[in-house]
Amino acid sequence: EIVMTQSPATLSVSPGERATLSCRASQSVSSNLAWYQHKPGQAPRLLIYGASTRATGIPARFSGSGSATEFTLTISSLQSEDFALYYCQQYNNWPWTFGQGTKVEIK
Amino acid sequence: QLQLHESGPGLVKPSETLSLTCTVSGGSINSYFWSWLRQPPGKGLEWIAYIYNSGNTNYNPSLKSRVAISVDTSKNHFSLKLSSVTAADTAVYYCARGRSSVAFDVWGQGTMVTVSS
Repeated sequence: EIVMTQSPATLSVSPGERATLSCRASQSVSSNLAWYQHKPGQAPRLLIYGASTRATGIPARFSGSGSATEFTLTISSLQSEDFALYYCQQYNNWPWTFGQGTKVEIK
Repeated sequence: QLQLHESGPGLVKPSETLSLTCTVSGGSINSYFWSWLRQPPGKGLEWIAYIYNSGNTNYNPSLKSRVAISVDTSKNHFSLKLSSVTAADTAVYYCARGRSSVAFDVWGQGTMVTVSS
């Protein structure tokens, strides 16, 4: 099973600032990497797939990069609605696996 | 707009079988594949199983011996059964649509299931 490791566990950012979240895979997952936003009591929301393709309706301030084992999610200018949990997930090998998440909180 | 909704008991006794159903509305279950996932309190997300409308299935090896997933295309829903549950199976259970090139693009809100006597 591929282990996904996210860092940091918590990221404190002021509104309007940039947030950079990292995700590392224990082996190459090519570009088969997705990012999700998750708020309490809500369904997780797909943000990015294919490491860098924004899902339908996702604002341009969200961008993804990376390949193989190292990936980054960048939120260029944090809005109030962006404070949430973010998960990365590999879908290159079954079982598909998730990172433990990064909580983006208001500084 | 495609929507998924989980339903089932919120409390299950230890050693019994957890049963959940995911109803798909606003679209057909006859495309892509359909999954169950879960998130125990304070822990990460875990994929459990998937099924295609054809009945083709795949299970997480960590749960395979206790899990069964099924689909009813006439009712546009799919279901999960997890047997011999313990407190470790307490979690929010989600259903989701899966696409091989996109991952999980539509999710339900989730349903909390507690295993306790």
